[in-house]
Amino acid sequence: KAGVTQTPRYLIKTRGQQVTLSCSPISGHRSVSWYQQTPGQGLQFLFEYFSETQRNKGNFPGRFSGRQFSNSRSEMNVSTLELGDSALYLCASSLVPITGYSTDTQYFGPGTRLTVL
Amino acid sequence: AQTVTQSQPEMSVQEAETVTLSCTYDTSESDYYLFWYKQPPSRQMILVIRQEAYKQQNATENRFSVNFQKAAKSFSLKISDSQLGDAAMYFCAYRSPDSNYQLIWGAGTKLIIKP
Repeated sequence: KAGVTQTPRYLIKTRGQQVTLSCSPISGHRSVSWYQQTPGQGLQFLFEYFSETQRNKGNFPGRFSGRQFSNSRSEMNVSTLELGDSALYLCASSLVPITGYSTDTQYFGPGTRLTVL
Repeated sequence: AQTVTQSQPEMSVQEAETVTLSCTYDTSESDYYLFWYKQPPSRQMILVIRQEAYKQQNATENRFSVNFQKAAKSFSLKISDSQLGDAAMYFCAYRSPDSNYQLIWGAGTKLIIKP
């Protein structure tokens, strides 16, 4: 079974631009979560989507948004990019939502490395 | 606030020997989940082992085992017979109702395997 895929793997943008990252979950998985990983802040939860609905959101500004499609693929958008948005963005999928009482496990994709100049 | 602390930024071990990575966490909950994830240079986060707090038995997965001390809020990872492929960043993570089930991550421990 194919794993979680993320595109693109690397991205370079300039301040003020916007960016869209894509995540395709493992076949059959309906929940997708997004994380930001930086050397200074470590790993931080962005949001989780299940059945095209956002279930939970971390403590990030409104410039960070996402959506999920009927085939469970998810996109994350960051508008008005700032230098501090440079990070590795990880997507993870699971069968059912993890932000609820669930024993399910998340499986991670390889990440998208975003550099903001 | 929920926190996960990994006090060892870096550890090294000789190949074939055993190493233990430490993790402590802070919670007022009695029911929660704990995880160890491995992130090799390829950057893909891989689940190593998980533990449900209600289970008294320590989880094991082949060469990986945990020492879960609920009262002490400690969750250490033991890697036996270390292999070169074990070299990676290891992250401890916690999930529970008081984190709204979001994964709370430790800062990570870089594990170096000496051949």
